[in-house]
Formats: sequence, C-alpha cells, structure tokens
Amino acid sequence: AQSVTQLGSHVSVSEGALVLLRCNYSSSVPPYLFWYVQYPNQGLQLLLKYTTGATLVKGINGFEAEFKKSETSFHLTKPSAHMSDAAEYFCAVSDLGSARQLTFGSGTQLTVLP
Amino acid sequence: EPEVTQTPSHQVTQMGQEVILRCVPISNHLYFYWYRQILGQKVEFLVSFYNNEISEKSEIFDDQFSVERPDGSNFTLKIRSTKLEDSAMYFCASSENIYNEQFFGPGTRLTVL
Repeated sequence: AQSVTQLGSHVSVSEGALVLLRCNYSSSVPPYLFWYVQYPNQGLQLLLKYTTGATLVKGINGFEAEFKKSETSFHLTKPSAHMSDAAEYFCAVSDLGSARQLTFGSGTQLTVLP
Repeated sequence: EPEVTQTPSHQVTQMGQEVILRCVPISNHLYFYWYRQILGQKVEFLVSFYNNEISEKSEIFDDQFSVERPDGSNFTLKIRSTKLEDSAMYFCASSENIYNEQFFGPGTRLTVL
C-alpha cells in the first residue's frame, strides 16, 4: 500500500522568501510522484511530476522538486515566493503510471505574507 | 485551453436521496476518474473508468455508487441512497492515456442533510 505524508498543514513565508513544502512517501515499488496546487474554488492543477530519469524536476510557476529515493522524499521548493503562490498544495503518488489511481497527502496551505 | 468541467458546483440533498454528479472530461481523453475529499481530510480515489468499464475502484466505492458515460461527452457519478458521511467535495479527472497526467475539474460540493 502506498501513503504520502506532508509535514505541516500550514506554512507561511514572506514574499520573496524560499518556499519549502515537504512530502515523504511510502511505496513498495518505484513511485510516480506529483505535486498539485489548488487555488480557491478551482480544481487541482498539476505543478510537476516525476516518473523516471532526472531526479530534479522543474514545473510551472518556478517550482521544482527533487526525488530522493534514499530519503523517500519529494519536497517542493521555489526560490522566491510570490503573493500569487498562496494556495493549497498536494503531494501525490502513483505506482503504475500516471493514469492509475493517485494517493494524496493531506495538503499544505501556503500563505505568503507581504 | 481545454478543461474538465463539473456540474453542479454545489448540491444539497436529503439523506436517502439519489444524486447524480456530472462531469465533462477533456474531449480527447480516454481515462476518467472520480475522487472525493471529505472536509479536513485527504483527497481519496474512488474509481477509474476506461473503455466503458470500471478499471479500478477503491473500498469506498461500494454498491451505492455507480459511474456511467451515457454519451460521448458526459461522465457521471451516481450515489443511490445518500448518507450523511457522503458529504464531501467530489472531483472528476481525466487523462489522455495511461502515461499522461490527470486533469482535474473544480469539484462538486455535496452536502447531505
């Protein structure tokens, strides 16, 4: 069985500061890993994904994440936060390809302070 | 840009009533999904659908639930006899093929009274 743990249900950063959202996963097979973002009253939008190959993955809006197998982690980072980054972020794992069921973490609400 | 749409955005129903949640996936997508998120909890997988049949379903997806693609554009989730614990946000998603990411709709908030 797979699981995803997101440390910190709420994270606050100042505008221009580093964003770090943590995600650890548990999977018995090589995982496919995803970060989704949800803005108020909108659906889940894919930020980035890791399937195979390069472990540092770049996504939209300046976000990136690094797959670290030894740490079973897939933390999301952005060098400089923008007010528009305020949203809820979900880490998810799938073990049989992108089109199979996703197992989500509980989400992290990011607040960006002026 | 193509997007997944869902109707209604909010549905209120009485316990024991049937509800149908509707989704229009992206037109060239072949795989369809339903997820739900109970307030304050994780987004949970319910069911996936391909080639007019269920591919996978979770333990949540019991006999009270059914899915259907009644025509070439809609994908529906039916709950036959709603319970209080069915109150949640229901998300529809679709993907082009088994290797591509899932695109999510904005969700339908179901409230069972």
